Amino acid sequence: AQKITQTQPGMFVQEKEAVTLDCTYDTSDPSYGLFWYKQPSSGEMIFLIYQGSYDQQNATEGRYSLNFQKARKSANLVISASQLGDSAMYFCAMRGYGQNFVFGPGTRLSVLP
Amino acid sequence: DVKVTQSSRYLVKRTGEKVFLECVQDMDHENMFWYRQDPGLGLRLIYFSYDVKMKEKGDIPEGYSVSREKKERFSLILESASTNQTSMYLCASSNLRDRGGGYTFGSGTRLTVV
Repeated sequence: AQKITQTQPGMFVQEKEAVTLDCTYDTSDPSYGLFWYKQPSSGEMIFLIYQGSYDQQNATEGRYSLNFQKARKSANLVISASQLGDSAMYFCAMRGYGQNFVFGPGTRLSVLP
Repeated sequence: DVKVTQSSRYLVKRTGEKVFLECVQDMDHENMFWYRQDPGLGLRLIYFSYDVKMKEKGDIPEGYSVSREKKERFSLILESASTNQTSMYLCASSNLRDRGGGYTFGSGTRLTVV
């Protein structure tokens, strides 16, 4: 069975600093995808970044990067230069052979001015 | 630039009513999903569909049904609404050729059953 673990229920970061949100996963599928989503208070889930299990390089999308360590089964999200608008819930998710996702419980990030 | 549209942002229904939640996507995605999100329980998959007229049960299908008569539309039906179905409902679509199959979500429907 697939599982996503996010051990940080809540995180605080000072504006303009970098922050790392942890995500570990468990799967027996040889091929899989890892995703991060942001959910602001409005409720909409916003796609941030994707990493394929066979990708050699860590994914980056603007201020977001994914620190992928396959042997450790971790896929941490790094947000550089935090902004007040980054305050939200962040979900790590995984897709295996099927099209369905497994989501982690989420981390609530609060950016302090 | 809206790609997945859920028909209602907020909805209040009475116990026992039949409730329809509509979801439309304009990205020609094959796969569509319905989730509910509750505090402390995360996102739970209700039903999904990989093709027109096709549906599969997710983790919590009881009390729900779905309909997919057209590729772009996936409807969630609460046959007889109950107070324990008060929740945030999220529709999503995906395509393996698009961002590794990552979901595109609608803006969600907050349903309250009274």
